Amino acid sequence: EAQVTQNPRYLITVTGKKLTVTCSQNMNHEYMSWYRQDPGLGLRQIYYSMNVEVTDKGDVPEGYKVSRKEKRNFPLILESPSPNQTSLYFCASSPQTGSGSPLHFGNGTRLTVT
Amino acid sequence: SQKIEQNSEALNIQEGKTATLTCNYTNYSPAYLQWYRQDPGRGPVFLLLIRENEKEKRKERLKVTFDTTLKQSLFHITASQPADSATYLCAPDLGGSQGNLIFGKGTKLSVKP
Repeated sequence: EAQVTQNPRYLITVTGKKLTVTCSQNMNHEYMSWYRQDPGLGLRQIYYSMNVEVTDKGDVPEGYKVSRKEKRNFPLILESPSPNQTSLYFCASSPQTGSGSPLHFGNGTRLTVT
Repeated sequence: SQKIEQNSEALNIQEGKTATLTCNYTNYSPAYLQWYRQDPGRGPVFLLLIRENEKEKRKERLKVTFDTTLKQSLFHITASQPADSATYLCAPDLGGSQGNLIFGKGTKLSVKP
């Protein structure tokens, strides 16, 4: 089944403890992206990647890192999480960039930082 | 900077009626616009895409229009059903070769039996 898989679904951590949220897609998509969704603010893009080894900042990149060493994986790294990073995170992928290809989203990771 | 407004946070309608959701954008001209459905606790799911040279697009009970003069897209669900209850997001492209989207905050649709 074609899908975007995020892990974990739920994560509770403490301020400053490094964490990684994994994202994997099995559709051979070139484009991958991370979003966070907060009440009243909607979906905001954190980072995106147009292909392997190519990543770029979205609207809210501060406090996050990403890497794209392989086409299928796009992990989101929080080196020193803070409470303002408590949010619902979504990974998404699409076949191409710049052509209107629809995004395929994972089911989300709900992160709580205390 | 680009701005997207879905001018209803919530819309309540009766089963069988047509739901109409509005998406307005300002300060730029997207080449295309996508609509997504999001259920609670789940990721958004793609529904329809409409390009700037298309006035209207249909898919089963769904219809999307794109008025580049008014800078507005309308999303219609005809013969609505309780199963259509969800949050609907509009997402115009940001322009540029990356094809990144900018998402509206969504309209929560509730269809009452």
